[in-house]
Amino acid sequence: QKEVEQNSGPLSVPEGAIASLNCTYSDRGSQSFFWYRQYSGKSPELIMSIYSNGDKEDGRFTAQLNKASQYVSLLIRDSQPSDSATYLCAVRSSNTGKLIFGQGTTLQVKP
Amino acid sequence: DVKVTQSSRYLVKRTGEKVFLECVQDMDHENMFWYRQDPGLGLRLIYFSYDVKMKEKGDIPEGYSVSREKKERFSLILESASTNQTSMYLCASGKGYTFGSGTRLTVV
Repeated sequence: QKEVEQNSGPLSVPEGAIASLNCTYSDRGSQSFFWYRQYSGKSPELIMSIYSNGDKEDGRFTAQLNKASQYVSLLIRDSQPSDSATYLCAVRSSNTGKLIFGQGTTLQVKP
Repeated sequence: DVKVTQSSRYLVKRTGEKVFLECVQDMDHENMFWYRQDPGLGLRLIYFSYDVKMKEKGDIPEGYSVSREKKERFSLILESASTNQTSMYLCASGKGYTFGSGTRLTVV
């Protein structure tokens, strides 16, 4: 089992729809979770962090965390073509403190 | 605005050359990291540092070394470049990992 798992996609949604990106992790002791957006040919950019169970909203983005199920998700409301990118989930290891990255999910938002 | 600066955006080197990739951050971060990113393999940690003159091996340190003489600068060194080191190299700093713009290295 990979430490952080994401569906590689591509996930295709129409403009204006809600995009739902999912991530599962294996480290039950993890306390910090991050979502990064990476445009093609660019470096990852931190867009959300979440530390407590429940939802955290920032503009059109909502991160959801369920530690019991070891599941973290990112919802993008009113998806725009400019949201088309690869989204990386990262989990801080409770053992080493380093971030463990998933392979990323590619999102395509079609006009 | 916080910044992590990587000295080169694109680099082409010959097999066997010694290659230096520089990374500078202006956020007074203690933690700095070097990753490489390849299609299908994701981000792989090469080396990291939690303090000046301190370095720790990541998951794929073979063929690489690092130097951290000053807090703001973390250098990645390819001792003798090989074609399988052709990749995108990403530097990051801080607990939330601010990434530099990356260096796309091609070894010919």
